[in-house]
This record gives sequence, C-alpha cells and structure tokens, in this order.
Amino acid sequence: GAVVSQHPSRVICKSGTSVKIECRSLDFQATTMFWYRQFPKQSLMLMATSNEGSKATYEQGVEKDKFLINHASLTLSTLTVTSAHPEDSSFYICSARDWAGQGTYEQYFGPGTRLTVT
Amino acid sequence: SQQGEEDPQALSIQEGENATMNCSYKTSINNLQWYRQNSGRGLVHLILIRSNEREKHSGRLRVTLDTSKKSSSLLITASRAADTASYFCATTAQGAQKLVFGQGTRLTINP
Repeated sequence: GAVVSQHPSRVICKSGTSVKIECRSLDFQATTMFWYRQFPKQSLMLMATSNEGSKATYEQGVEKDKFLINHASLTLSTLTVTSAHPEDSSFYICSARDWAGQGTYEQYFGPGTRLTVT
Repeated sequence: SQQGEEDPQALSIQEGENATMNCSYKTSINNLQWYRQNSGRGLVHLILIRSNEREKHSGRLRVTLDTSKKSSSLLITASRAADTASYFCATTAQGAQKLVFGQGTRLTINP
C-alpha cells in the first residue's frame, strides 16, 4: 500500500512559538492531502483539506491564520501551528488520497505528530 | 462534523473469538472505509467498500455494507492479541473529497 510519512513524530515547544509539521507521500503523488487533529480517546476531527497549488479549505471553527497549510508539491504538505498555546497540544495526523479506481479514492495516513506546548 | 456512530464503543473478548463492530452513517455515500489505530499511532487502512458493493473480505476481515440501512459492519474472525486497537469507520459522501469518521470502537483481545 501507499506510504505517508510525517515529521517530526514528537515535538515539544514553548508557548508563543511556531511549529511546522511535514507530511509526505512517499511512493505516490497526492494532489489532495488532509490534516486531522485527535484528542485522547477521541476520533479524528478534520481540520483542513490541502490542495496542491491552491489555498487550503478549512473546516468550520478552525482558524486559518493559526494553522497555516502549504501544499507546495505533489508529495509534500506542511502544517504550521503559529503562536502555539497549551490548548494546541494534540495529536496531529495527515493523510493523502490515492486513486483506487472506479471513481473512488483511498486515504493513507501518516503516523502522526504528538505536539506538546509548555 | 462527525456523522458516523459506532457500536459498541468498547468491546473486550477472548483470543480466538470473533469480534463484530458496527457503523452507521447519515448521508448517501460513495464509499466506506475501515481503519485500525494502535494507541498513539497513525491509522492503518484495512478495507474499502464501495456503495455498490455489499460484502468484502480481506484475510480475517469481513466487511458488509447495507446502504438501505446506512450501516456497515466489520467482523474480525479468530481474534488475536495483536488485534487490540481502536477501529474506525469513515465515509466519503457522494461528490465529496473528505472522510468523515465515526467515534470508533476500542477493541481489547484478552489472551
């Protein structure tokens, strides 16, 4: 199956600083990637859809100026958490979709990034 | 917003038994996918079933889809301790790009 990587896997930062998380599709090209946030023992909440070469589409309630998304190439999307605060501490997961034929796509997920803001 | 409901929220069985998890959704879908997540890790894609399919198999996994009831089930046969994880269903609506996840079922296989 297709492989998606994320970097870093864990990051600890001080309140007020910015953190960048990278998501890469390793063996396929992804025109569309997605960013999710997951709180402990909860499901994934979609934050935004990242389209290569265009602006990301954010879900309702997600601050686009706080969570900057850049999808500069067909294999790389980045999420920057700006001016991080402790409430931004969470598990961030990206995914990339790949054509599965017959009008459908499969989504492949990265291993996630654990962000802790102190 | 979350549109999927999963049932049960938690399931604990003995190794070797079968595990069944159910998922319901609200809108018309293009396809439904099941994922596994081990604690603190990313999601592993298990199986995709299209809206025109009723059943799919993959190894010890069997997925059914009933679009009239807007529901799906995931059956894991002959469970193993390594199957302990959270399982999520996720749907893609007709004409949409994004996946919408259910709340998940936490499965524990006791040795």
